Parts: sequence; C-alpha cells; structure tokens
Amino acid sequence: AQSVSQHNHHVILSEAASLELGCNYSYGGTVNLFWYVQYPGQHLQLLLKYFSGDPLVKGIKGFEAEFIKSKFSFNLRKPSVQWSDTAEYFCAVNGRTGGYNKLIFGAGTRLAVHP
Amino acid sequence: NAGVTQTPKFQVLKTGQSMTLQCAQDMNHNSMYWYRQDPGMGLRLIYYSASEGTTDKGEVPNGYNVSRLNKREFSLRLESAAPSQTSVYFCASSAVGGGAAKYEQYFGPGTRLTVT
Repeated sequence: AQSVSQHNHHVILSEAASLELGCNYSYGGTVNLFWYVQYPGQHLQLLLKYFSGDPLVKGIKGFEAEFIKSKFSFNLRKPSVQWSDTAEYFCAVNGRTGGYNKLIFGAGTRLAVHP
Repeated sequence: NAGVTQTPKFQVLKTGQSMTLQCAQDMNHNSMYWYRQDPGMGLRLIYYSASEGTTDKGEVPNGYNVSRLNKREFSLRLESAAPSQTSVYFCASSAVGGGAAKYEQYFGPGTRLTVT
C-alpha cells in the first residue's frame, strides 16, 4: 500500500539552528514528491516539489529537499531556521487508486522555533 | 485570482444537525477534493471529483455526501453531524492533463467544524 512516513512529530529548535525533517514513502511507480507548509491558522501552501531531474530541489524561504531514490526518502532541510518558520510541515507523494490521481500525505511534523 | 475559497470559516453544530460546506475555485481546474485534518493524522481524503459531473469516495467517506455543482464549485454535506466529525475541512483543486503537474494541489483556507 502507498504510504508516507514522517518520523518526527514534534521538533523544537532555537533560531539559527539547522533543520532536517525526515520523510520516507512507499510507492512502486514513478514518484512525484511534495512538501507543504501550514502556518498557524492558515491553509496548506506548497513549499517545494520534485517531479524529475536534479534530486536536490530548492523551494521558497530557503528550504530545500533531497530525493534519494535508493532510500525512498525526501527529507526537508534548512540551514538556519527563523522564528517565522514555526509551522506544521507535510510530506506528500503522488498515488493512483481506482482510476484517479491523488496525493498521500504524511501525518505532519510540527516545528516550533524559539527566539 | 482568489484561488480556492471556502465558506464558512467556523461552524458549531449539535449532534444530528446537517450542514453544507462550500468550496469554489477560479483556476479552471478540473479536479477537486475534500480532506479532513485531524491532529497526528495528516490529511485524509473524504471525496474526490475528477471532473464536472463525477465524484468518487476517498479514504473516509462515511457520513458525508458531495456535489460537484459545476466546474468551479464542489460542496460537502454532513447529513447528520456526529462528534467524530469535529475536524478542520480543506478543499483543494488541481489541474488535469499530462505530466506531474496534475498531482500539485492548491488548498483553500479551511473550515473549522465542531460538533457537540
């Protein structure tokens, strides 16, 4: 079955610390991978995506993610976090079931950055 | 472009009451989705509409119905609300066609529903 696993449910960092959020997926087909961010009280916004090509993907606000096919991973990184990065982060992978295209989401990682 | 809009933003219902959540998109997308978001469970797909006139069940359809009114609008109805339906509901849309872009979904601001 298709699934996405995010290992850290809660992460607490101080400003300027480095961030890495883990994401592993299970899907047998061609993968398209996404990271979405949800700031407090807001809707999900696309942070970055991987479709093909360079496995190191750069997104908005200094975030990047690396697709490692052999590890079925798509970890999110940022060298130096800011208080404004406090949010919940969701990893997602494409899937196809019952004739329709869908995204499968991980459970999310809640990041709190302290000044 | 407003993107994806949802109404209402907040709603409190008593057990057994009914209500309809409205969603509209102005991006000319063919596919639309309803999710619920619960703590520690990520987003779970309730219903999906690949195109105008078609709807399909997702992972957690029980207790819900949907209507794809036209290309722009996709509504979610709770016929008899239960406390287990307390959640945040998100509508999303995506383009259709070849390539990976069809998987990229755009989300509305959400409806926070409490059933007492």
